[in-house]
Amino acid sequence: DADVTQTPRNRITKTGKRIMLECSQTKGHDRMYWYRQDPGLGLRLIYYSFDVKDINKGEISDGYSVSRQAQAKFSLSLESAIPNQTALYFCATSDSPQGTGNQPQHFGDGTRLSIL
Amino acid sequence: AQKITQTQPGMFVQEKEAVTLDCTYDTSDPSYGLFWYKQPSSGEMIFLIYQGSYDQQNATEGRYSLNFQKARKSANLVISASQLGDSAMYFCAMRSGRSGATNKLIFGTGTLLAVQP
Repeated sequence: DADVTQTPRNRITKTGKRIMLECSQTKGHDRMYWYRQDPGLGLRLIYYSFDVKDINKGEISDGYSVSRQAQAKFSLSLESAIPNQTALYFCATSDSPQGTGNQPQHFGDGTRLSIL
Repeated sequence: AQKITQTQPGMFVQEKEAVTLDCTYDTSDPSYGLFWYKQPSSGEMIFLIYQGSYDQQNATEGRYSLNFQKARKSANLVISASQLGDSAMYFCAMRSGRSGATNKLIFGTGTLLAVQP
C-alpha cells in the first residue's frame, strides 16, 4: 500500500461544482501539504499544515480551502470550481525538520482534475 | 526573493552516457537545502537526492550525484550511465532558512529528459 494516498486519481467536473480531494498517509508525519502542478510552472504550494490545529496558506490559496481531520488526513476543497483550476494536484507529507533538515517531502501519486 | 531556475526545458542523452541537469537558486538565507525529484510519465514525484548548504561534500545516491557550487549558487544533478527508465521530468527544489521551520519547498519549472537507445 502507498504511504501517501490521494483520492480520486482522476476527476472531470463542471464549472461551479464543489470538489473535494482527499489525502491520507501512513507515514506518521505531522506535516502535510497540497500543491498544484501546471505545465511549465512546476509545483506551487496551496496550503500546508503542521498538525490538526495548524493550517497555513501557501502562495496560491485563493479559491481553495483545506481541512485537517486527523494527523493522517488532509483534504483540499474547491468550493466553486473554475476552468483555470484544471491541474494535477499533489498531496505531500514530511517529518519535522531536525538535525541537518534533510527530510524530503513524500508525495502521493497525484489527482488529475479537469474542470469543464 | 527566493527562486529556483532550471534553464533546460528538455534534453536528450544517449543510453549509458552521463547527463547534467542544471539548477541555480537564489536565497539570502545562509541555511538552506536543495532537493531533486523525478517525475516519470505516470505522474508520481520521486525523491532522488538532497544537499544541505553546510554540507562539505557533494551528495551522492547511486547513479545520482549533485554538483554543488555554493559560490555560483548552482546545484546541478548528474546522472551517470543513463538508462531508458531515467526518461522523466526532473525538478529541483529548495527549502531555505525562512521556510526551514515549515519545510516548505520552492520548485523550479523542471527539465524533461529523454534517454535514447
